[in-house]
Amino acid sequence: DPKIIQKPKYLVAVTGSEKILICEQYLGHNAMYWYRQSAKKPLEFMFSYSYQKLMDNQTASSRFQPQSSKKNHLDLQITALKPDDSATYFCASSQDAGGRTQYFGPGTRLLVL
Amino acid sequence: GEKVEQHESTLSVREGDSAVINCTYTDTASSYFPWYKQEAGKSLHFVIDIRSNVDRKQSQRLIVLLDKKAKRFSLHITATQPEDSAIYFCAASSYQGGRALIFGTGTTVSVSP
Repeated sequence: DPKIIQKPKYLVAVTGSEKILICEQYLGHNAMYWYRQSAKKPLEFMFSYSYQKLMDNQTASSRFQPQSSKKNHLDLQITALKPDDSATYFCASSQDAGGRTQYFGPGTRLLVL
Repeated sequence: GEKVEQHESTLSVREGDSAVINCTYTDTASSYFPWYKQEAGKSLHFVIDIRSNVDRKQSQRLIVLLDKKAKRFSLHITATQPEDSAIYFCAASSYQGGRALIFGTGTTVSVSP
């Protein structure tokens, strides 16, 4: 059974629209993360959360907003989508934020037209 | 902020030979160095890591070396097999901030029979 679920697997969006990427982990972890991988910027850290609190945000744009409704959920809301946002978005989790192994979900591939 | 440079973009080896991937980092506060494997169209799979309190770690055919003075770490894949073919990413993280993993740009390893 998959331990980190990301939904949807593929997403096509129109420029200017808004989408939410879903991430749920069933590893009992307390820290969750978002990363982005594109041809232009391979594997870029975006956000980290620990016990549902934001720890670090290295995303310059406020169009990207993480949302943690439960301890094992960390969704990513993206507003005013641009073609440059096209990428694969990976969610990851670790037992805690103290330098523990991060396990990655399968990713959501977003294409903005 | 931390920058990780991954020196080899591609590496071609014969089955049974060793493959070595080298990475350097800039932040002396970095203390955790994982390696991930990514097969085509798939997510990142954790393979091995090393922390700054040791300078060598081995897991089966994988060896990681860390030289803190030179701010350099490397992955040695010994007795390579065709299934080792993939993109390998090195990363660095410190205990400061949100434990973000800062990734290198990846090395495509091709193992030929």
